[in-house]
Order: sequence, then C-alpha cells, then structure tokens
Amino acid sequence: DTGVSQNPRHKITKRGQNVTFRCDPISEHNRLYWYRQTLGQGPEFLTYFQNEAQLEKSRLLSDRFSAERPKGSFSTLEIQRTEQGDSAMYLCASNTGDDTQYFGPGTRLTVL
Amino acid sequence: GEDVEQSLFLSVREGDSSVINCTYTDSSSTYLYWYKQEPGAGLQLLTYIFSNMDMKQDQRLTVLLNKKDKHLSLRIADTQTGDSAIYFCAEKILAGNTPLVFGKGTRLSVIA
Repeated sequence: DTGVSQNPRHKITKRGQNVTFRCDPISEHNRLYWYRQTLGQGPEFLTYFQNEAQLEKSRLLSDRFSAERPKGSFSTLEIQRTEQGDSAMYLCASNTGDDTQYFGPGTRLTVL
Repeated sequence: GEDVEQSLFLSVREGDSSVINCTYTDSSSTYLYWYKQEPGAGLQLLTYIFSNMDMKQDQRLTVLLNKKDKHLSLRIADTQTGDSAIYFCAEKILAGNTPLVFGKGTRLSVIA
C-alpha cells in the first residue's frame, strides 16, 4: 500500500491552456474525491466517485472543470481554458466503506 | 449550514502542550477529524472522533469533543519542532460518502 498518489506534483501553465491531473487512489479503495485548496484556506470539495460513477459534481467550480474515473481505478481532473483564479492545490482523497478519507500529496497549479 | 471555525495561529515553546480549538455549526456531524499539513504537502490524517464520544487519546494527541457547545479541541503533549504545521479541523455531516467540510486551518509554530 503506497498511499494515494497524484501527478504531476506541480504544473505551471499559461492562461487559456487546458490542464489534466491524475490521481491514483489506494488500491482497494472504491471511493475517490477531489478537493481544491487555495492559499490560506482549507480544502474545498469539488466532486467524488464511487467506482466509475460520479455521484456528486454540483460543486465543480464551473463548466470548465470536469473529472472522470473510467475504469473505477485512477481518476483525472481536467480544467479547460485555465484562468489565473484556478491557481491552487488540487487534492485527491480515497476511502472504502469506512469514513476516513486519505489524501494524496496534491498537484499545485500555477496559471500565469 | 456547514461552517467550521478555527483560530489562525498558535505559537508554543518546545516541550509545552499545544491546544488547537475548533467550532462547528452542524449538530448532525457524525465524525470530526484533525488533519496535519506540512508546507507544500498533502493532508495527513492525525486522528478522528465519532460524535457519540467525548474524548479520544492516541499517544501525544488528545481530542476532546463538547457536542453541546459544538467545540472540538486537539491537545498535543510535549510539542516538538516537527509538530510545526497547519492543523485542519474537518466535519462530516452524514454517514456514507458526504464530503468533508474543513476549517481554514491553524498554523502551529513551535519555538525551540
């Protein structure tokens, strides 16, 4: 068990570009969550999956944000037409039937 | 509504005890969590308490829950310089896969 992993750890992009982040949950975890953390704030929930089903996506910040988990294992979060306000740490977490969510190291996005 | 409040800063001397406080508003919280975040890193689960408990101890960590006042605290005994980090309180409103609601975090500085 190597924990939740996220790639890349850092991403610098120019405004208007699309970016995609990947999250690999702990192997037996069927539930996966995405959060966003801006400077000086706690994590803010974006969306979550149970297996490949996306069960909550109303908190995604705009229609430029989308997430997938096609085979119920890893997940991707895509931001289209990035804006400077998208600069943040994007965190992924996973769990199973218990209620404890385990977090990955995050992907730090900087939009220039 | 969901709201978690924490004081933003705490400074203690090495060897002293640290007490980090948190208040929450939703009385239907089921679990309450403490996470630790070091600079540039993801969130590390420290401990959690179920809402029908009033205390939980785990080595140097003691969690106290006052459900009547909706107040949660984390006491770190014999605080070390390695404990310097941001500590987040989080609540989970319902059982199952609802997201966590985080406070803004308390930055703990340990002075040698």
